Amino acid sequence: DSGVTQTPKHLITATGQRVTLRCSPRSGDLSVYWYQQSLDQGLQFLIQYYNGEERAKGNILERFSAQQFPDLHSELNLSSLELGDSALYFCASSPSGGPEAFFGQGTRLTVV
Amino acid sequence: QKEVEQDPGPLSVPEGAIVSLNCTYSNSAFQYFMWYRQYSRKGPELLMYTYSSGNKEDGRFTAQVDKSSKYISLFIRDSQPSDSATYLCAMSSMDSSYKLIFGSGTRLLVRP
Repeated sequence: DSGVTQTPKHLITATGQRVTLRCSPRSGDLSVYWYQQSLDQGLQFLIQYYNGEERAKGNILERFSAQQFPDLHSELNLSSLELGDSALYFCASSPSGGPEAFFGQGTRLTVV
Repeated sequence: QKEVEQDPGPLSVPEGAIVSLNCTYSNSAFQYFMWYRQYSRKGPELLMYTYSSGNKEDGRFTAQVDKSSKYISLFIRDSQPSDSATYLCAMSSMDSSYKLIFGSGTRLLVRP
């Protein structure tokens, strides 16, 4: 167990809908990363937060947004969902925004 | 061309064999090199983390980095059936906020 908690584990929703994925980082970790894993693209970096502030952005769609709250948990919001958004979404945390990142078990999103 | 290349396998070996997994990369800015293990439908688990060139050993696992050749390796000694998983290499640099760039992963099967 990495200590990173993601909820829900599974999510099935219809196209056009909006969902929120939640991540609780390891105790004391200030940095949270979101990644998307799909069969054709592999693991892709979406966005990073450090102590509540956005630090880096990857290939994150405009329909997607995230935030990190004062208690350091983070949420990834996905809207206007399309079939192609079906994937595993992982959250990872690191102690001080450094290179070692510890991953949660992921949220499997299925858009039907 | 992808920044990080990794042979997808699958790689099938008998129990007790020495396994060699490799990645090549093109971005000379990468300074941090990680190996993750991912079991089916689970989150990636950090196995090894190396800074810059050199070797690092942890139990049955040895990670090697050759920055001059832009080539990294993971060796698994005395492989066990429980080592059967997908192994992902990942790399990052300080100037990119340590976001991880992943290889596509190599599927390893250790036969009893």
